[in-house]
Amino acid sequence: KAGVTQTPRYLIKTRGQQVTLSCSPISGHRSVSWYQQTPGQGLQFLFEYFSETQRNKGNFPGRFSGRQFSNSRSEMNVSTLELGDSALYLCASSRQAGTDPHEQYFGPGTRLTVT
Amino acid sequence: AQKITQTQPGMFVQEKEAVTLDCTYDTSDPSYGLFWYKQPSSGEMIFLIYQGSYDQQNATEGRYSLNFQKARKSANLVISASQLGDSAMYFCAMRRNYGGSQGNLIFGKGTKLSVKP
Repeated sequence: KAGVTQTPRYLIKTRGQQVTLSCSPISGHRSVSWYQQTPGQGLQFLFEYFSETQRNKGNFPGRFSGRQFSNSRSEMNVSTLELGDSALYLCASSRQAGTDPHEQYFGPGTRLTVT
Repeated sequence: AQKITQTQPGMFVQEKEAVTLDCTYDTSDPSYGLFWYKQPSSGEMIFLIYQGSYDQQNATEGRYSLNFQKARKSANLVISASQLGDSAMYFCAMRRNYGGSQGNLIFGKGTKLSVKP
């Protein structure tokens, strides 16, 4: 079956703009988590959605937001982009929130560059 | 607070030899899970192996084994018979288990493994 897909794969934006990233989980998976990866801070948890509800949130400013649709697809939005938002954004899906770790699968990521 | 420490920024290993990647962790939670992921240059995180804090035996998955020493709070990854395709970043991660659910993953900074032919 198809894996986790993330679109777009690469994105270049200017400071002050906003951006929306998309994640389509594996069919049948209802939980989606988002992570930010930067050279300086490493991998950091952004938020987790399950059945259209935000279940858990990391320590990021309110400029970072997300949502999940009834088909389990998830989007994350970053408003008023800053240079420090340049990162690889990874999405992971699992069948249900807090499930067996073997069932959590990551997508290929969206590489965002802010100039 | 939970923390994962990987002290080796980079490692080299000869093809077909074994290599150990270090990971120490800090947590006050009684129940937690420890993970290792591989991240090739393509960026995707690939799950390798999992160890639960109450598991009595060390986890093994093919050429990967996890050397779990709970008292020392270490969870080192051992890769046997290294292959050129093992060259990648390796991340140790932890997640607390509470009630019937599990928290988010906390990652270490990673170790870049290079396998030499």
